[in-house]
Amino acid sequence: IAGITQAPTSQILAAGRRMTLRCTQDMRHNAMYWYRQDLGLGLRLIHYSNTAGTTGKGEVPDGYSVSRANTDDFPLTLASAVPSQTSVYFCASSDRDNSPLHFGNGTRLTVT
Amino acid sequence: GQNIDQPTEMTATEGAIVQINCTYQTSGFNGLFWYQQHAGEAPTFLSYNVLDGLEEKGRFSSFLSRSKGYSYLLLKELQMKDSASYLCAVLDSNYQLIWGAGTKLIIKP
Repeated sequence: IAGITQAPTSQILAAGRRMTLRCTQDMRHNAMYWYRQDLGLGLRLIHYSNTAGTTGKGEVPDGYSVSRANTDDFPLTLASAVPSQTSVYFCASSDRDNSPLHFGNGTRLTVT
Repeated sequence: GQNIDQPTEMTATEGAIVQINCTYQTSGFNGLFWYQQHAGEAPTFLSYNVLDGLEEKGRFSSFLSRSKGYSYLLLKELQMKDSASYLCAVLDSNYQLIWGAGTKLIIKP
């Protein structure tokens, strides 16, 4: 079934630890995105990639890094987790600029 | 700055009609999206409007007025499964999506 797969589904992480959230899509979409969703704040863009080999910063990039080595994979890394990074993280992809986003099922991350 | 406003929460009765409003102020406009998000799940696409007017898709319709910076999502014949959050998002002149905080819709029997 075509779509986006995120892993892990949930994670409890000690502050200061490094963590990589994985995201893979099989729709050959050019653009991929990482969002965090916090209660009352809606979706906030962390980083994005318009095509393989390029990445850009979103609204809240500090403390996060991404890479886009190929079309399918777009991992998000927290180099040294802090409690304020406790959130639900969604990976998404789209075909063209004005195409709807397809979302993964999300990763619920708790930093203690 | 760029801004999307939606009511935080709405309540409606099963079988009724509800209208969820969205007003926006953005740098340019390249379309407006509505997404549905059930609790604990990912958002899913509902509709896309780029021209003024009403787009109908079954029980759901979406309206856009670019001159007023206004859209609404109309849900007819409400069912319990329509209980969810509804997210409004605008594509600005740089093709960046600006998201509203979402409207939580509660359906009562």
